[in-house]
Amino acid sequence: AQSVTQLDSQVPVFEEAPVELRCNYSSSVSVYLFWYVQYPNQGLQLLLKYLSGSTLVKGINGFEAEFNKSQTSFHLRKPSVHISDTAEYFCAVNQGGSNYKLTFGKGTLLTVNP
Amino acid sequence: DAMVIQNPRYQVTQFGKPVTLSCSQTLNHNVMYWYQQKSSQAPKLLFHYYDKDFNNEADTPDNFQSRRPNTSFCFLDIRSPGLGDAAMYLCATSRDGTFSYEQYFGPGTRLTVT
Repeated sequence: AQSVTQLDSQVPVFEEAPVELRCNYSSSVSVYLFWYVQYPNQGLQLLLKYLSGSTLVKGINGFEAEFNKSQTSFHLRKPSVHISDTAEYFCAVNQGGSNYKLTFGKGTLLTVNP
Repeated sequence: DAMVIQNPRYQVTQFGKPVTLSCSQTLNHNVMYWYQQKSSQAPKLLFHYYDKDFNNEADTPDNFQSRRPNTSFCFLDIRSPGLGDAAMYLCATSRDGTFSYEQYFGPGTRLTVT
């Protein structure tokens, strides 16, 4: 069975500071990895995804993530955050093939302060 | 733009009064999902349709039902809402043949039970 751990439930940062949101997964097979963002009272929007190939993945809004197979991690980073990045961020994984359901982490609330 | 649409965005119902939430999609995806998301929690999968095949999660209460009359539409019926069913309900879609099964989410319907 696959699982996702988001190590920080809340991350407060100041505007223009860098941020890293951590995600670790466990799976006995190859996985596909996703980061979604959720703004208040909105659905989930895909930020970026890792399917294969380059381990550094660039997404929307200046976010990027690095897939590290040996550490089973997929941490999300942004070099300089804005107030508008305040939102809940979810890491998710699926194994593809016949198992197409997503397993979500519990989420990390990023709060960007002025 | 192709998208996932949920109506209404906000729904208020009375305790025990049946309610139906709707989801439509213009992506022509064959898989549709319903999630329940409570405050500060990850989305919880209730069930999904793979084409016309209905797949219920083992822990989804019998109070929750779903219908998919065609590819584009999917409905969530809550037969007798309780106070504990107040939540955000998210609809998502994905397409078979895309090995990652990336999911596309609607904006959600926030259900209040009075």
